[in-house]
Amino acid sequence: DTGVSQDPRHKITKRGQNVTFRCDPISEHNRLYWYRQTLGQGPEFLTYFQNEAQLEKSRLLSDRFSAERPKGSFSTLEIQRTEQGDSAMYLCASSRVVNYEQYFGPGTRLTVT
Amino acid sequence: AQSVTQLDSHVSVSEGTPVLLRCNYSSSYSPSLFWYVQHPNKGLQLLLKYTSAATLVKGINGFEAEFKKSETSFHLTKPSAHMSDAAEYFCVVSEGDDMRFGAGTRLTVKP
Repeated sequence: DTGVSQDPRHKITKRGQNVTFRCDPISEHNRLYWYRQTLGQGPEFLTYFQNEAQLEKSRLLSDRFSAERPKGSFSTLEIQRTEQGDSAMYLCASSRVVNYEQYFGPGTRLTVT
Repeated sequence: AQSVTQLDSHVSVSEGTPVLLRCNYSSSYSPSLFWYVQHPNKGLQLLLKYTSAATLVKGINGFEAEFKKSETSFHLTKPSAHMSDAAEYFCVVSEGDDMRFGAGTRLTVKP
């Protein structure tokens, strides 16, 4: 069990640029979640996958955001035309099944200048 | 929809004294409840979880929490704080796949 990994750990981008983050879950976990955490707040749910199927998306996930998990393993989260309000920590978590412990990665900190 | 309120944004204790971090929840169903800890520059780590079994739940590092349905509370306690307990703590309520995090409580431990 190597844990959940995320890449990159930090990303600084200019407003209007596109960014993509990667999450590698624990290998036997079939559920993968994305959250966003802003300073002084708890993580907010964005979306989750069961295997390769994206089952739910939060209203926080605007049209500029897209997530994929093509082979049911790693996942990517892309933000197009970034805005300063997108600056946050993006967290990935995985679990075996619903209501089981979600294991979190270290997060990707995005700064949009 | 479910929600969670952490009643203190910041708690400060002296090393060796008890810790109490308060959490109230709202849920239409029988929820699952969790406490997570977040150390600086580290990922969230599960401390303990309640899933309709025993109401007193023991977790890692000496933490425990008691589920009180009548009070809709799930407060986190530890008898004796250690310097390494200084971190951000999140109470979480879950209905199925939908996990809602509280805003967090920052615990400071003074020597």
